[in-house]
Amino acid sequence: KQEVTQIPAALSVPEGENLVLNCSFTDSAIYNLQWFRQDPGKGLTSLLLIQSSQREQTSGRLNASLDKSSGRSTLYIAASQPGDSATYLCAVGDGAAGNKLTFGGGTRVLVKP
Amino acid sequence: SQTIHQWPATLVQPVGSPLSLECTVEGTSNPNLYWYRQAAGRGLQLLFYSVGIGQISSEVPQNLSASRPQDRQFILSSKKLLLSDSGFYLCAWDSYQETQYFGPGTRLLVL
Repeated sequence: KQEVTQIPAALSVPEGENLVLNCSFTDSAIYNLQWFRQDPGKGLTSLLLIQSSQREQTSGRLNASLDKSSGRSTLYIAASQPGDSATYLCAVGDGAAGNKLTFGGGTRVLVKP
Repeated sequence: SQTIHQWPATLVQPVGSPLSLECTVEGTSNPNLYWYRQAAGRGLQLLFYSVGIGQISSEVPQNLSASRPQDRQFILSSKKLLLSDSGFYLCAWDSYQETQYFGPGTRLLVL
């Protein structure tokens, strides 16, 4: 059974510092991996999707890497801003009959002005 | 562009009452549809998924059920709610196992 872990559970940084968020998974037979952002009381917003054959994906200040063999992904957010404060979730998809996602517990980020 | 709707946004129900949550998707055809629950301290858990009309798969045994009466409509139901059914219910869709898009969610409180 796939298990996804995100450490740390919470992170506080001053504005302008780079953010590094970690995600690990136990079964390397994944179809893809997605990073999401969740603001309090809201749904999830997709940030990046990495296919299992890819090593990284970039969108603006966001960069996500994937090392499938070691079961790890890292989300980098450059030059953090107070608006980046949110909970960040990673999820691995199995690609079978749809794409069932297994989520990590999330990292709650606070960027202080 | 595609849009996903969920209603109601919030719901307070007594234990033992029935439940019906609705999710609809616009702007796409034959999406895969998913119901997740986010409970305090337990993270996001997949409850049901559907790859087509009338095709429902359950991930977690519970007193909830799901139905897909139309291509872009997904309904979550219960005949008798339990206290443990409280949580934040999220509907999502994707096509061809690509990016999964989530709705705004329904917050359910069972008293």
